[in-house]
Amino acid sequence: NAGVTQTPKFRVLKTGQSMTLLCAQDMNHEYMYWYRQDPGMGLRLIHYSVGEGTTAKGEVPDGYNVSRLKKQNFLLGLESAAPSQTSVYFCASRDRGNGEAFFGQGTRLTVV
Amino acid sequence: RKEVEQDPGPFNVPEGATVAFNCTYSNSASQSFFWYRQDCRKEPKLLMSVYSSGNEDGRFTAQLNRASQYISLLIRDSKLSDSATYLCVVKRTLTGTYKYIFGTGTRLKVLA
Repeated sequence: NAGVTQTPKFRVLKTGQSMTLLCAQDMNHEYMYWYRQDPGMGLRLIHYSVGEGTTAKGEVPDGYNVSRLKKQNFLLGLESAAPSQTSVYFCASRDRGNGEAFFGQGTRLTVV
Repeated sequence: RKEVEQDPGPFNVPEGATVAFNCTYSNSASQSFFWYRQDCRKEPKLLMSVYSSGNEDGRFTAQLNRASQYISLLIRDSKLSDSATYLCVVKRTLTGTYKYIFGTGTRLKVLA
């Protein structure tokens, strides 16, 4: 089982460039999440989705957009990258009920 | 004040030692509680859920005190392979789904 797969795993961007991070899950999970992890901050929720075609803001959504056109995919876009967006990004998915959240391997993004 | 607080450590312990981690949470509406393990440069993975009655999984024991809003994890007979960061996670309702609030993690190093 692939579980949750994120692409790319590493990326270096210049300030002002845009990019899209892809999260794909093969577990037919309804809920998907994008987090960023920074030293001393823990994981913080950027955006989430409760089903195909739906998205909602988390606690740190500014500078990011998301889309969930297909149930298995959750895309995170950076419109105009800033050095403050240098971070490790994790995608997670979860089934209904009290199910465990499964994480992707992470994307290490550096904005210079 | 962070919603979920953990001692960042690091805890350096010899093999075979018993070590305990503590976590406090501030939102009394929190519904479920977990410990996740995160290895260096890897994604978080569920270690165990935490129940009010306390629960054990091999060398790991988790306890919850709702009145004090306190969660603990006890690791007995520490192994080198237990070296990781342990994340305290609290789940509560978010519009349409649940929100997972992550502590910043406690680093454990088990020394030979």
